[in-house]
Amino acid sequence: ETGVTQTPRHLVMGMTNKKSLKCEQHLGHNAMYWYKQSAKKPLELMFVYNFKEQTENNSVPSRFSPECPNSSHLFLHLHTLQPEDSALYLCASSPGAGNYGYTFGSGTRLTVV
Amino acid sequence: DQQVKQNSPSLSVQEGRISILNCDYTNSMFDYFLWYKKYPAEGPTFLISISSIKDKNEDGRFTVFLNKSAKHLSLHIVPSQPGDSAVYFCAASAGLYYGNNRLAFGKGNQVVVIP
Repeated sequence: ETGVTQTPRHLVMGMTNKKSLKCEQHLGHNAMYWYKQSAKKPLELMFVYNFKEQTENNSVPSRFSPECPNSSHLFLHLHTLQPEDSALYLCASSPGAGNYGYTFGSGTRLTVV
Repeated sequence: DQQVKQNSPSLSVQEGRISILNCDYTNSMFDYFLWYKKYPAEGPTFLISISSIKDKNEDGRFTVFLNKSAKHLSLHIVPSQPGDSAVYFCAASAGLYYGNNRLAFGKGNQVVVIP
C-alpha cells in the first residue's frame, strides 16, 4: 500500500464506549498529524508528532488521547466522547520541518450517539 | 484567530468557464501557500502550491496568484470541468521562518461546475 491509510472509514460509538482510530503512512515521512473537520469550520489541528515525539497539542480535551509508536503509525484513542465530537477525523503526514505539503488519509467519519 | 480566510463559501460556474477562488491571510510570516481539493468522504489532496518568492505558479488548468502586499492569493481554474466540483482549501505555512511545517487552513470553498 502507498500513501496514508486510515481505519476505520466510519465509526459509530456511544458516549461510554472506548474506541481507537488508526493511521498508517508508507511514505517515509517523519511528521504525522491529527486534524478534525467539523461542518462549516476550518480544518482544526489536534496533534503533531515529529519523529514519534508529540510536539503539539492544540488544547485538545483529554478524552482524545494520541499514540505514536513509530514514525509510520499514529493512533487516536477515544473515550467518553460527546455528540459534538462527531466529525471527520483526518490523519496526515509530511516529510518533516520546512515547507512541505501534507498527504492526507481519507479520514474516519465519527458519529457519537 | 483565523489566520487563513476563505470568504464566499460556495461558487457555481458553467463548464468551460473560469473558476476563481480567493484566500486572504493575516500572518506576514507565511511564506508558502497551498491549495487542496477535497471530494466528499475523501481526505484533501494536494493541488498546487506557491512560494512567497513567486507571484504566479501554473500547472495545467490551475494557476495560483500571490499578492504579498495585499496578503491575498487566488486560484484560477480554466476551463472548469465537472470533475472539478469539490471543496477547495487554502493553506499557508511559515516553515522557513518558524522551522516547522504546521499548516493553517481556511474553511474551504465549495465549487460546483454545471455541465
